[in-house]
Amino acid sequence: AQSVAQPEDQVNVAEGNPLTVKCTYSVSGNPYLFWYVQYPNRGLQFLLKYITGDNLVKGSYGFEAEFNKSQTSFHLKKPSALVSDSALYFCAVRDRNYGQNFVFGPGTRLSVLP
Amino acid sequence: EAQVTQNPRYLITVTGKKLTVTCSQNMNHEYMSWYRQDPGLGLRQIYYSMNVEVTDKGDVPEGYKVSRKEKRNFPLILESPSPNQTSLYFCASSLYSGQGYNEQFFGPGTRLTVL
Repeated sequence: AQSVAQPEDQVNVAEGNPLTVKCTYSVSGNPYLFWYVQYPNRGLQFLLKYITGDNLVKGSYGFEAEFNKSQTSFHLKKPSALVSDSALYFCAVRDRNYGQNFVFGPGTRLSVLP
Repeated sequence: EAQVTQNPRYLITVTGKKLTVTCSQNMNHEYMSWYRQDPGLGLRQIYYSMNVEVTDKGDVPEGYKVSRKEKRNFPLILESPSPNQTSLYFCASSLYSGQGYNEQFFGPGTRLTVL
């Protein structure tokens, strides 16, 4: 069975500082990994994904994520946080060897303080 | 404009009264899916469809039905809603290339309250 953990319910960071939102996953096969962002009263928006190849993935709005197979992690990062990055962030996984369903983590609320 | 639309956006109903939440996409996507979002639980997949007349259960299908008679539409049906189905529902769609790694486009959400 697939599962995703986001160990922090809330992450607070000062504007201009680097940010990290953590994600770990569990799949029986090889994963496809995704990050989505949800702004208040909106649907989710895609940020980036890992399929294969380079472990460092770059995405929208200056975000990037690093796939670490040995630690089964896919942490989201940004070198310099903006107040406008404040939102709810979801990590998601699909096991490429098992079905076509997706599993999302519980979400991490990011607050960037001015 | 490429988009996923859901209707209604807000719905308050009573236990046992059948309802349908519609979902439509204009991007000619093969894959469509329904999720519910609950605090602390994130998004949980209810049903998904890889193409017309092809549907499958997600992690929480109990109490829900879906159909995919046309490529653009994927309605979610609650035959006999119960209060534990009070939630925020999202429809999503994506291309399906056989690999399943395409990003999903999400609708704006439907907030359902069952009294």
